[in-house]
Amino acid sequence: DQQVKQNSPSLSVQEGRISILNCDYTNSMFDYFLWYKKYPAEGPTFLISISSIKDKNEDGRFTVFLNKSAKHLSLHIVPSQPGDSAVYFCAASANDYKLSFGAGTTVTVRA
Amino acid sequence: GAGVSQSPSNKVTEKGKDVELRCDPISGHTALYWYRQSLGQGLEFLIYFQGNSAPDKSGLPSDRFSAERTGGSVSTLTIQRTQQEDSAVYLCASSEGTSGYNEQFFGPGTRLTVL
Repeated sequence: DQQVKQNSPSLSVQEGRISILNCDYTNSMFDYFLWYKKYPAEGPTFLISISSIKDKNEDGRFTVFLNKSAKHLSLHIVPSQPGDSAVYFCAASANDYKLSFGAGTTVTVRA
Repeated sequence: GAGVSQSPSNKVTEKGKDVELRCDPISGHTALYWYRQSLGQGLEFLIYFQGNSAPDKSGLPSDRFSAERTGGSVSTLTIQRTQQEDSAVYLCASSEGTSGYNEQFFGPGTRLTVL
C-alpha cells in the first residue's frame, strides 16, 4: 500500500510563474518529510525537507508547507525556471532510515 | 568528491537468468540502501545495510532477491531466476547515518529489463 501519494503525475508551468506540487500521506507516524528532484539518467537529489514540528520551511525559491491535520504537504517553487524541469518526489520518514516515496510529479517549465 | 556509482547502467536479460547489480557508495558512508522504481510507481525500499550487516531486509520482494555488502563499502544486489515483473530501475543510496534526518545520496540507478 502506498503511504505517500502524489496524485498529479505532471505539471506544466510558464517560466517565472509559481509551481505548486502536492503530496498526501496516510501514516500518522511520519515525522520528517523530504522533496527530491530527479533529472533523466541521474539519481534523485535532496531538495528541501521539513520536520513535523514545523509547518513551513523556506530555502531560496523553494518553500515546503506541511498541514499535519490534513496529512498534506506541498512544494512551492517561485519563480519557476527552465532548470527546474525535472521529476519531483515527495518522501516521508517515521524517524528512521526507511523513506517512503510518492510516484513523482514531472514538472515542465515553459519558456 | 565522487558520488554514489552503480553498474551496469542498463541490463537486459532473459527470463530465468540471474543478474548482479553493483553499488559503490560514497566513501565513509556507513549506511547503504537499495530501492527499486517500477514503471509509474514511487521508489520502493528493498534493503538497508549498516556496515556489512543488513538489519532490515523487509523490502525484498521474494527469496530470489539477495544482497551483500563487503568491507563496509561495495554492495551487490542479486536477483536469481529473473521474472518480467522484476523489470524496474534499481537505485542505491548511501548516508552517513541511519536516521531519516541523514540525507541519502542516490546513484543514477540500473535499469533492468527482463524479456
